Amino acid sequence: GIQVEQSPPDLILQEGANSTLRCNFSDSVNNLQWFHQNPWGQLINLFYIPSGTKQNGRLSATTVATERYSLLYISSSQTTDSGVYFCALFLTGGGNKLTFGTGTQLKVEL
Amino acid sequence: KAGVTQTPRYLIKTRGQQVTLSCSPISGHRSVSWYQQTPGQGLQFLFEYFSETQRNKGNFPGRFSGRQFSNSRSEMNVSTLELGDSALYLCASSFAGRGTEAFFGQGTRLTVV
Repeated sequence: GIQVEQSPPDLILQEGANSTLRCNFSDSVNNLQWFHQNPWGQLINLFYIPSGTKQNGRLSATTVATERYSLLYISSSQTTDSGVYFCALFLTGGGNKLTFGTGTQLKVEL
Repeated sequence: KAGVTQTPRYLIKTRGQQVTLSCSPISGHRSVSWYQQTPGQGLQFLFEYFSETQRNKGNFPGRFSGRQFSNSRSEMNVSTLELGDSALYLCASSFAGRGTEAFFGQGTRLTVV
């Protein structure tokens, strides 16, 4: 089956620092989403991004489907950015089934 | 508009019992998918329903089942609960087509004792 690898697995930042999270995948995808899982478990939508670059405030994402990777940039990090970040893929021919990466656990400290 | 609503939020059951979880999708969304999240296995796809039909199924035993009603609300059922079924169960709602953006509910945290 498809392999979805996220790096780094864990990340500790000082407030105000920038970071880049990476998602590599081994198969062609129909679409891709980035989520932030809050401490209560809910998955919050960050980006729905099959290709190209999108920005939303301090966050931006870039997907290069032909090279099978996506990047999530967090600038000027805040303590509220802490949590787990997942990329999830819709595979070609997979309907609405999402295949999730293993996640990046981010902790932002004062 | 209202988001995806899952009930109950927390549940404690005994081994051998069965449980039913509910998910109400975003108004107008016709696709509902279910996922199980455990520390060891991560987030895994259970099944997807669209227009009351199961459209996709993950690799879970037959004890896990689901259904979707005409108003797009969905339920999943787990029979003969095992300790390993303790997990966060998440429901996702999508508009219709394949690969459309998914929105998740707050989840149901099931503990089997």
